[in-house]
Amino acid sequence: AQSVTQLDSQVPVFEEAPVELRCNYSSSVSVYLFWYVQYPNQGLQLLLKYLSGSTLVESINGFEAEFNKSQTSFHLRKPSVHISDTAEYFCAVSPNAGNNRKLIWGLGTSLAVNP
Amino acid sequence: EAQVTQNPRYLITVTGKKLTVTCSQNMNHEYMSWYRQDPGLGLRQIYYSMNVEVTDKGDVPEGYKVSRKEKRNFPLILESPSPNQTSLYFCASGESWGASYNEQFFGPGTRLTVL
Repeated sequence: AQSVTQLDSQVPVFEEAPVELRCNYSSSVSVYLFWYVQYPNQGLQLLLKYLSGSTLVESINGFEAEFNKSQTSFHLRKPSVHISDTAEYFCAVSPNAGNNRKLIWGLGTSLAVNP
Repeated sequence: EAQVTQNPRYLITVTGKKLTVTCSQNMNHEYMSWYRQDPGLGLRQIYYSMNVEVTDKGDVPEGYKVSRKEKRNFPLILESPSPNQTSLYFCASGESWGASYNEQFFGPGTRLTVL
């Protein structure tokens, strides 16, 4: 079985400040890792994913996440946030084998970027 | 445009009145899935489908039915809705395991209230 823990339910930050949203997971099998973003009153959008290869993955809007296998973590970072980054961020994992491509989700981190 | 559509987006109904939430994708994906999102519980999988006429239970299937008669459609059926099914529902689709893994695409969500 898998589980995902997002260590902060809310993260308030000022515009242009750096931010880190923390995610730890546990799994007895190999997994793929994801960060999804949910803007107010919208659906879920994939922000970035780790499948294999380089442990540092980047998104087109400046976010990055690093897969740390020994610490079973996949923290999300951005060096300088914008007001428009205000959203709910979800970390998720999926077993990389088996028929069900179920995503196991963290409870989310609400990022509030203040001017 | 590649997308997953859900209808209705908002629904208020009463206990016991059968309803169907439709989900349709235009990406020829084999895999489709339904999740519900609840405060404090996160997203949990209800049902999934590996292909036409192939469906299976997720983590919280009680009180729900699904069907997969066509590849593009995966409706969620509540035969006798109850107030504990008040939730935000998301449909997702993705490629099968045979292909290299790609992201799962999510619909915009259906907010259901059962009185």
